[in-house]
Amino acid sequence: AQTVTQSQPEMSVQEAETVTLSCTYDTSESNYYLFWYKQPPSRQMILVIRQEAYKQQNATENRFSVNFQKAAKSFSLKISDSQLGDTAMYFCAFTHNAGNMLTFGGGTRLMVKP
Amino acid sequence: DADVTQTPRNRITKTGKRIMLECSQTKGHDRMYWYRQDPGLGLRLIYYSFDVKDINKGEISDGYSVSRQAQAKFSLSLESAIPNQTALYFCATSEVELPNTGELFFGEGSRLTVL
Repeated sequence: AQTVTQSQPEMSVQEAETVTLSCTYDTSESNYYLFWYKQPPSRQMILVIRQEAYKQQNATENRFSVNFQKAAKSFSLKISDSQLGDTAMYFCAFTHNAGNMLTFGGGTRLMVKP
Repeated sequence: DADVTQTPRNRITKTGKRIMLECSQTKGHDRMYWYRQDPGLGLRLIYYSFDVKDINKGEISDGYSVSRQAQAKFSLSLESAIPNQTALYFCATSEVELPNTGELFFGEGSRLTVL
């Protein structure tokens, strides 16, 4: 069974600074997808970024980038130039072979301070 | 209008009551899911359906049932609600056709409180 672990229940960062959220996962599969979802106070789950395991290049989306270390089974999210609107719960998630059965981590609550 | 709509958004009920959470989608996706969110546990899969005739149990299906009334509608029922079913419930959809990256599209959640 796959597991996803987010070891930081809460984090804070000053506006305009950079923060990194950690995620590790456990799987025996070789082909899989990793995701970071954002849940702001509105509760809506929003996809932030995705990474295909077969791609060596780390995914980036504007201020959001990942550090994907396949051998270490690590998938961290870096938020650059943090903004107040980045305040949210962030969930790391995993699925293999695009089967759509997402397994989620426990979440990290990020507070961006002015 | 939202692509994935859940009703009700908030509900308070009493132990032993039957409650139904409804989900409808306009994305045209075949696959639909019900997840439950609890603090520190993330989201856990309750049930999923890959088409109207296909219903599957997820990780935590005990105490829940579902109905796929149409491609666009997937409802979750608690036949006899208990306090530890107090949680935030999410409906989600996904594509089946390629390219299929495993992305889920979520509703806005239904917060259920069982007293």
